[in-house]
Amino acid sequence: GDSVTQMEGPVTLSEEAFLTINCTYTATGYPSLFWYVQYPGEGLQLLLKATKADDKGSNKGFEATYRKETTSFHLEKGSVQVSDSAVYFCALSDQGVGGAQKLVFGQGTRLTINP
Amino acid sequence: DSGVTQTPKHLITATGQRVTLRCSPRSGDLSVYWYQQSLDQGLQFLIQYYNGEERAKGNILERFSAQQFPDLHSELNLSSLELGDSALYFCASSVGQGYGYTFGSGTRLTVV
Repeated sequence: GDSVTQMEGPVTLSEEAFLTINCTYTATGYPSLFWYVQYPGEGLQLLLKATKADDKGSNKGFEATYRKETTSFHLEKGSVQVSDSAVYFCALSDQGVGGAQKLVFGQGTRLTINP
Repeated sequence: DSGVTQTPKHLITATGQRVTLRCSPRSGDLSVYWYQQSLDQGLQFLIQYYNGEERAKGNILERFSAQQFPDLHSELNLSSLELGDSALYFCASSVGQGYGYTFGSGTRLTVV
């Protein structure tokens, strides 16, 4: 079945450092791809998305490009802040038969930014 | 406030008991999804409902069941609870394919 693999964490960076969190996927069709963020004690929030190959999703300084040839959707940010500390999940939308749909998540990457 | 409301926020119960978790989706969203988040299993998809009908089933145990009512709110019923059922249970709603989900803040279930 469809699956998502994220780089293992935890990841610790200094403020203003460059961030990359790798994400690759396996899918039989043409899924939509997402990054979600989970702050401590909260639910998941949609950070950005891309629905077709070569699309770039962006939000709050974060970017990710849907790369069909490498089946990847890496998350990047040029200069991280302490407030970016959270768990980041890569996900794909798996469209099944009869409108069935579910998001398949990676295992999550915990990011800590030190001042 | 994401627009998806889950109650209760916290629940502590004993092994063997039964509990019901409730979810109200964001206004206009017809699909409701339930996920279980535990430390060792990550985010596991349980079940999807669309406009009252079950559409997809994931790793949902037979002791667990769900339904979506005509007003589109959904309930997840967990019975014969075991210690291993302790987890965060998230509900999410969506307007359709490719739009992503809006998640509620979750119900933290502790089985003692």
